[in-house]
Amino acid sequence: DIVMTQTPLSSPVTLGQPASISCRSSQSLVHSDGNTYLSWLQQRPGQPPRLLIYKISNRFSGVPDRFSGSGAGTDFTLKISRVEAEDVGVYYCMQATQFPLTFGGGTKVEI
Amino acid sequence: QITLKESGPTLVKPTQTLTLTCFFSGFSLTTSGVGVGWIRQPPGKALEWLALIYWDDDKRYSPSLKSRLTITKDISKNQVVLTMTNMDPVDTATYYCAVFSTVFIGFDPWGQGTLVTVSS
Repeated sequence: DIVMTQTPLSSPVTLGQPASISCRSSQSLVHSDGNTYLSWLQQRPGQPPRLLIYKISNRFSGVPDRFSGSGAGTDFTLKISRVEAEDVGVYYCMQATQFPLTFGGGTKVEI
Repeated sequence: QITLKESGPTLVKPTQTLTLTCFFSGFSLTTSGVGVGWIRQPPGKALEWLALIYWDDDKRYSPSLKSRLTITKDISKNQVVLTMTNMDPVDTATYYCAVFSTVFIGFDPWGQGTLVTVSS
């Protein structure tokens, strides 16, 4: 199985300031088709997760442009350019390059 | 608008079989590239993928749970059913179903989830 490791576990942030979350995979996420199937999800308190970013850097429908994803191979980053109050929650990376699908342990973003 | 809703027992006893149903609307599970997956989340813990069924009836399971899981779909009823045998207290979790697209290769949207507690 591909192990996804997120850092930090918790990230205290200041409103209006940037935030960054890292995700590292135990092996390359480059698929045989050339794509890298790394996505980011947001889970607000008491809510189900929702997709933010897919294939490393593609923002999903309706996701504000303050969210951006980057990376390659085994190292990936989610950045929030200016944190807003509604961004509080837990963020997960997920790989879908190989079964079983696996998630990172989550990073809690709190004000 | 796509919606999903999980339904099932809130309490099961150890060794019993859990049956969860995902009722969905706003899409068809006959559409090429579409799947429905199950993911669970123990209280205060991370997400764990369980199973996935595609429009063409291809099925994938978490290897660690494969012997206990069965996923099926009923196109006529717009339902996906997950059964998990031999339940244990460690299986206590919120169970979610979600749409999986082979276009963006990710899960969205998700149902609200259903909390299942395993206790005697």
